[in-house]
Amino acid sequence: EPEVTQTPSHQVTQMGQEVILRCVPISNHLYFYWYRQILGQKVEFLVSFYNNEISEKSEIFDDQFSVERPDGSNFTLKIRSTKLEDSAMYFCASRMSPFDSGGQETQYFGPGTRLLVL
Amino acid sequence: SQQGEEDPQALSIQEGENATMNCSYKTSINNLQWYRQNSGRGLVHLILIRSNEREKHSGRLRVTLDTSKKSSSLLITASRAADTASYFCATASSSNTGKLIFGQGTTLQVKP
Repeated sequence: EPEVTQTPSHQVTQMGQEVILRCVPISNHLYFYWYRQILGQKVEFLVSFYNNEISEKSEIFDDQFSVERPDGSNFTLKIRSTKLEDSAMYFCASRMSPFDSGGQETQYFGPGTRLLVL
Repeated sequence: SQQGEEDPQALSIQEGENATMNCSYKTSINNLQWYRQNSGRGLVHLILIRSNEREKHSGRLRVTLDTSKKSSSLLITASRAADTASYFCATASSSNTGKLIFGQGTTLQVKP
């Protein structure tokens, strides 16, 4: 069964360093997302991406964050200068279709990248 | 505004019993999805219910949706120790971006 994959599974970085988190969404999906979950807290939406542009972003997704789909398969989240409070589990998700399209609205999540900023 | 608030926050039951988790939300939705998360792991999709549906079943899972009360429930019947996990509801608004707003989750412990 197709699945969303993410690399790396764990990343440790120093404050102020740049990190790039990578995701390979399910191949025929059109909508892509990043979420994060700070330890012990709920999952929070960061950004959605469709047709090679950001369709919506949250307040968390400030100028330090960027997303890119550099080729037909990868979807990346870059944090330019990491802060301690960026430590979290980052989840990528993808969805096939718009709403009311016969059950294709489900978002499938990857296993996550656990980011620790020291 | 907050969406998808679950209760109870924690639930402990014996194997074989049923587990019911509730979720409330505040704004209009297109659909509501339930996810499961084993400790420190990824989110596994369980079931999706659309705003025009009232009840859905999948195996031992039963989900209801009451849009007039802005609430949903997830029932797991005949629970097993392997059902031990955190369960989250997530609402998708009518905007076509499809972003999900998650609740705090219910931590379920099923004792063998």
